[in-house]
Amino acid sequence: LAKTTQPISMDSYEGQEVNITCSHNNIATNDYITWYQQFPSQGPRFIIQGYKTKVTNEVASLFIPADRKSSTLSLPRVSLSDTAVYYCLVGDMYNYGQNFVFGPGTRLSVLP
Amino acid sequence: DGGITQSPKYLFRKEGQNVTLSCEQNLNHDAMYWYRQDPGQGLRLIYYSQIVNDFQKGDIAEGYSVSREKKESFPLTVTSAQKNPTAFYLCATSGSYEQYFGPGTRLTVT
Repeated sequence: LAKTTQPISMDSYEGQEVNITCSHNNIATNDYITWYQQFPSQGPRFIIQGYKTKVTNEVASLFIPADRKSSTLSLPRVSLSDTAVYYCLVGDMYNYGQNFVFGPGTRLSVLP
Repeated sequence: DGGITQSPKYLFRKEGQNVTLSCEQNLNHDAMYWYRQDPGQGLRLIYYSQIVNDFQKGDIAEGYSVSREKKESFPLTVTSAQKNPTAFYLCATSGSYEQYFGPGTRLTVT
């Protein structure tokens, strides 16, 4: 399984764009990159998923370079409610038997 | 949330007692998972099941047991053999490309 590395914490101010980078040097051909958001005392929630290049949805963008050894989650114009822990996962999402490892994630604090 | 029910939200037990955490889903997903989360940590996989009547151990299965008699249900029993059972327990399902998580059960054992 591909191991991921992401910053432990980040601070930002309301209205700024936040970019969280995840390193996954040993990503496999069948692996996708998925990001989850978790608020305290709640289960993680799916944000976005991608395989290569750029993916955008209504809440975030995901940038994946050609070598796929890293990825960047971009949150445009964050608000206080975006304060949460963000997890980067790498794996074959269609392989249900796989152990998707949630590391400590990145704790994002959005300040007023 | 949304189709996955975990009950109760808070659970208190005395040391030495077994306790069963409930997880029910109406998403018609085949795969179900149990995770444990300790304060400030990520999620660790306890057990998972890909199909009814079949389940596999995750990284930290010792002291836990599960059953999968119905597609909709995947209860987790925390036995007295689990040395540090106090934690936040999350149930999840997967039907395609993402996992859906329940609201969690916070178990406190004293």
